Formats: sequence, C-alpha cells, structure tokens
Amino acid sequence: AQSVTQPDIHITVSEGASLELRCNYSYGATPYLFWYVQSPGQGLQLLLKYFSGDTLVQGIKGFEAEFKRSQSSFNLRKPSVHWSDAAEYFCAVDRTNAGKSTFGDGTTLTVKP
Amino acid sequence: DAGVTQSPTHLIKTRGQQVTLRCSPKSGHDTVSWYQQALGQGPQFIFQYYEEEERQRGNFPDRFSGHQFPNYSSELNVNALLLGDSALYLCASSLGSRETQYFGPGTRLLVL
Repeated sequence: AQSVTQPDIHITVSEGASLELRCNYSYGATPYLFWYVQSPGQGLQLLLKYFSGDTLVQGIKGFEAEFKRSQSSFNLRKPSVHWSDAAEYFCAVDRTNAGKSTFGDGTTLTVKP
Repeated sequence: DAGVTQSPTHLIKTRGQQVTLRCSPKSGHDTVSWYQQALGQGPQFIFQYYEEEERQRGNFPDRFSGHQFPNYSSELNVNALLLGDSALYLCASSLGSRETQYFGPGTRLLVL
C-alpha cells in the first residue's frame, strides 16, 4: 500500500525567508506525486504535480518541488515566502493517477512578519 | 465559471442518524471523488463516481454510499452516524479520472 509522511507538523518562517517542506512516500515504483495547499475554510488547491521527466517541477505561486527517487522524497520549496503563504500544505501520491490519492497529514506553515 | 460547490457548509447530527451531502462539479467535469478529512489529518479517499457508477472505493464501510446524477452532480450518504464520522467532507471533480482534481470548500459534519 502507498503511504505518505510529512515529518514536520508545523513550520514557522519569517516573511522573505526560504521554505522547504518535506514529503516522503512509500511505494515500490514511482507514483504520481502532488502538493496541495489548504487555507482556512477553503478546499484544497493543487500547487504542482510530478508524473515523469524532469525531476524539478514548477508550480503556481512561485513554488517548486524536486523528486528524488533515491530518497523517496518530493520536497516543496519556495525561495521567498509571503505572508499570504500561511496555510496547510499536503503532499499526496497516487499509484495510478486515477484520482485515488493518498495524502499525508499535512504541514501547517506560519509566516512571521 | 463556477468551481466545485458543496452543500451544506456545516451540519450537526446525532449518533445513529443519516446524512446526505451534495456536490456540484466544476463546469465540464464528469468525475466526482469524495474525501473525508478528520481534524488534524489529511484527506482520505472515500469513493469516485463516473458515468453514474462507483468506479473506485477507499477503505470505508458500506454505511458510506453515494450517487451521481446525469448532470454529474453527486451525493454522499452516511447511515448510522458515529461520533468518529465527524469531519470535513471534501468533494473533488475532474474531467475523467486522470486529470487534475479541483476541490470544493467542503462540508463540515459534527456528530453529537
């Protein structure tokens, strides 16, 4: 069975600082990988996804993620965080890209002024 | 262009009751998936509907059932509610199962 681990429950960064959110997955082959953001009272919004090819994926809102097969990781990064980035971030995997995603438990991001 | 909409936004029920949640997919989408998100956890896949049939199902009991209508809207029904069913229920729609899912804002269910 596929599983996703987000080791950091809560991260606090200063506005303008860089950000890296960690995601590790457990699955024999390379799954389809996703990062979502959820703001309070809102549904999930897709930031980016990786299916194959270039291991560095660019997403919306200035986010990027790097797939590392050797580490079974798909970490999310942003060079300069804005106060509006404060939210909960979820990493997800889908073995077959059939819309049956397995989500991690999320990382809550707080941005200090 | 309206996105995914869900109703109601909030709901309070008591144990043993039944509940129906509704979802209207994004315009042009034909596939609807339902997720349960307990407090402090990530969403868990319940099931997916396409062409009015359940195509995939997660690890949820038969108390959870659904329906998809010809206009692609969908309902999630939960029977014999338990306290543990308290959660945010998210609906996601897509054009086919392999395209990007768009999520609605969810229905928050509280079971007392």
